[in-house]
Order: sequence, then C-alpha cells, then structure tokens
Amino acid sequence: ETGVTQTPRHLVMGMTNKKSLKCEQHLGHNAMYWYKQSAKKPLELMFVYNFKEQTENNSVPSRFSPECPNSSHLFLHLHTLQPEDSALYLCASSQKGQGAQTRYFGPGTRLTVL
Amino acid sequence: ELKVEQNPLFLSMQEGKNYTIYCNYSTTSDRLYWYRQDPGKSLESLFVLLSNGAVKQEGRLMASLDTKARLSTLHITAAVHDLSATYFCAVVEEYGNKLVFGAGTILRVKS
Repeated sequence: ETGVTQTPRHLVMGMTNKKSLKCEQHLGHNAMYWYKQSAKKPLELMFVYNFKEQTENNSVPSRFSPECPNSSHLFLHLHTLQPEDSALYLCASSQKGQGAQTRYFGPGTRLTVL
Repeated sequence: ELKVEQNPLFLSMQEGKNYTIYCNYSTTSDRLYWYRQDPGKSLESLFVLLSNGAVKQEGRLMASLDTKARLSTLHITAAVHDLSATYFCAVVEEYGNKLVFGAGTILRVKS
C-alpha cells in the first residue's frame, strides 16, 4: 500500500461522455502528478501541481482538465476523449525540497474509450 | 532534452542466474530512481540513487550509479520467479524537477 489511492480503478466511456478520475494521497506530500501509461510507450508526465498550483502542463490536449483543490486531492476531468486516449492513468505524489523526493504512485485507473 | 534509454527491453532469465539491466541518460542528473511494476499494478519504488558511486541493495537486486558515464545498472543475483515484472529507471535533470522514464525492461524468470 503506497498511501496514494485512485478511483475508479477501471472506467469505460464513450467519446461524448464526461467523467472524472480522483486521486488522494495520505502521505503529507506537497506535490501531485498525473501520468499516462500507454502500451509500448514510456510513462508520460501530464500535469504537475505544487502546493495546489499547476506548475507544469506537458502539452496535454484540453480534453483533459486537471483540478487540485488541496494538496491531498487531485482530479482529472475528461470530456470528448478519443479512442487513442485509452491508457492507464497514474497519479503520484512527492515531497518537494531536499533529499530523494521519490514519487509514490497510486494503483492507476484503466481507461477505455469506445 | 533529457533522454533515458534502457536495455535490454525484454529479458528472459533462468532461475538462479545473474543478469544486469542498463540505464543510460543523456544529460547531467542529480537523482535516479528504479521502479518495479507488476502486470496490472502500479509502480513500486525500489531505489533512489543520489550521488556518483552510490550503490543500494535490497534482497537479490543491487543498483549502482556512475554519473560520469551517465549510467545506472540494476543487477539481479540468482533470479527467482517472484522477480518477474517490468523494471523502469527514471532520471531527474540536474537543477530540474522533471522525471523522465525509460521504456522499461520486461523481466521473465523461468524455472
């Protein structure tokens, strides 16, 4: 158990649907991340939040909209997705500052877009 | 731009054998991580290496870092079936915070 939880674990949606992914970290960290893991591609960073402020948007299409209401919660709002957006979406958290700053990952949401 | 290359991308090993996974990166870095991912599961942190010559060991896995060569190795000693997983290295640029992952090495240990 890594202290980072994600819901739902599996999601199937049509291209016209709107859905949200939720992430919660119980580690007291100050940074949270969304990553996308597609088959046969390296893990791709999507968004970074430090102390609830978005500090990085890695050229992600606007059909993905992140929200970070506080340092423990992170959402990814999805609308009008494409089949190529089907992937495993991983949330992670870390403590920024000195030292290792290891990212701890949640279990992921397996998303299928029909 | 920081690039991270792992090799091999697929490794089939016999139980009891030793092998090494290599991770090369293209720019100077001050942090390197190794992660393990089981099928359908998330990434589990194995090691973080912070300085040149750093060596960390946990069970049958040993990771080392040579910052001058921009190379890290993950050495597997006397492999057992439970080590079957995908192993990723990930590197943070010096003075930066972006974590760039390698493509991963799929390890299968056969009895």
